[in-house]
Amino acid sequence: AQSVTQPDIHITVSEGASLELRCNYSYGATPYLFWYVQSPGQGLQLLLKYFSGDTLVQGIKGFEAEFKRSQSSFNLRKPSVHWSDAAEYFCAVAGGYGGSQGNLIFGKGTKLSVKP
Amino acid sequence: DADVTQTPRNRITKTGKRIMLECSQTKGHDRMYWYRQDPGLGLRLIYYSFDVKDINKGEISDGYSVSRQAQAKFSLSLESAIPNQTALYFCATSDGRPGRAQYFGPGTRLLVL
Repeated sequence: AQSVTQPDIHITVSEGASLELRCNYSYGATPYLFWYVQSPGQGLQLLLKYFSGDTLVQGIKGFEAEFKRSQSSFNLRKPSVHWSDAAEYFCAVAGGYGGSQGNLIFGKGTKLSVKP
Repeated sequence: DADVTQTPRNRITKTGKRIMLECSQTKGHDRMYWYRQDPGLGLRLIYYSFDVKDINKGEISDGYSVSRQAQAKFSLSLESAIPNQTALYFCATSDGRPGRAQYFGPGTRLLVL
């Protein structure tokens, strides 16, 4: 069965420091992968997505992610974190329920705190 | 205006009451979804609909029902609310293309006393 693991429940980084959030997936075929961000009191906003092609994908707000098939990973990165990046981040893979393709399976999320 | 709207945004109800959460979208998408979010558990799929006549159970459908009134409207009902249905509920939409992203509403925070 498809699954997504985000190993870090909570990460704290200093403002201006680099960031990497980890995501590992389990999926039998070439996956469709997504990163979403949820700011406090808000819904989920799509940061970026990987379908095929270039394994390094650029997203909004200065985020990027790299797909590594050999490691079954899709880690999210940002070179310099801003205080407004404090939020919860969710990785997702397109999987299926009951044979239906395309439904997203989410990781449990990583909460990012930013120190001044 | 927001592409995916949810009403109400907050709701407090009592055990045993029937409650309906509504979702509307202006994105023109065929597919609509209902999720619940609990701290530490991420998002779990309750129901999904690929079109008006196609409704499917998700991972945690027990205690919930849905209605797809139109392409743009998808409602979630709790027939007899219980305290462990206290959660944040999200509606989402997507189109039918492979690898499609889902677009989320702002959420409904539900408290069942």
